[in-house]
Amino acid sequence: DTGVSQDPRHKITKRGQNVTFRCDPISEHNRLYWYRQTLGQGPEFLTYFQNEAQLEKSRLLSDRFSAERPKGSFSTLEIQRTEQGDSAMYLCASSFWREGSNEQFFGPGTRLTVL
Amino acid sequence: QQQVKQSPQSLIVQKGGIPIINCAYENTAFDYFPWYQQFPGKGPALLIAIRPDVSEKKEGRFTISFNKSAKQFSLHIMDSQPGDSATYFCAASMPGNQFYFGTGTSLTVIP
Repeated sequence: DTGVSQDPRHKITKRGQNVTFRCDPISEHNRLYWYRQTLGQGPEFLTYFQNEAQLEKSRLLSDRFSAERPKGSFSTLEIQRTEQGDSAMYLCASSFWREGSNEQFFGPGTRLTVL
Repeated sequence: QQQVKQSPQSLIVQKGGIPIINCAYENTAFDYFPWYQQFPGKGPALLIAIRPDVSEKKEGRFTISFNKSAKQFSLHIMDSQPGDSATYFCAASMPGNQFYFGTGTSLTVIP
């Protein structure tokens, strides 16, 4: 399977714990995006990378959230001191960005439940 | 502020019907308008996308109609099937940028 993969698919944690999610984009895709989706809503943008550079962060991304893409391939999203309001589906998407192209392909998501 | 407004919230059609889902936007800098299909517990899957220089695009049973002056676009699903039952999201973006998604439409196709 050469699509976007995410790990884990499900994570249950207690309030106050730290969690880390991983995303492996489609190979050779230079852009990687993180979105958050709550029940009954569309995905909301969190942050994105071009290669290893983090180019934009949403105001939704509080200082408890940090994302990295150290070698321009896979990415990790860490949430520190989780809160119940962090419960959501965390989606990763990747694209090969060039002028005139913006197709983003999504992974299956990581469902986070904070108890 | 919702950048992309989507309606209806839910839709029920008979098999073979043509459900239509509508989206509206305000930012004229948007230049890419995709539609995604999402099944429960899965990530969104790209269905079809359009740019503002064309008024209609068709791929299989899916058609996007785009009205640049009204800042509206819609998805039509021809000959709908029970397997099309899913949540559909429209989105919009500026060149190479993040997507702004609508709130989604839950479609049910009755056999």
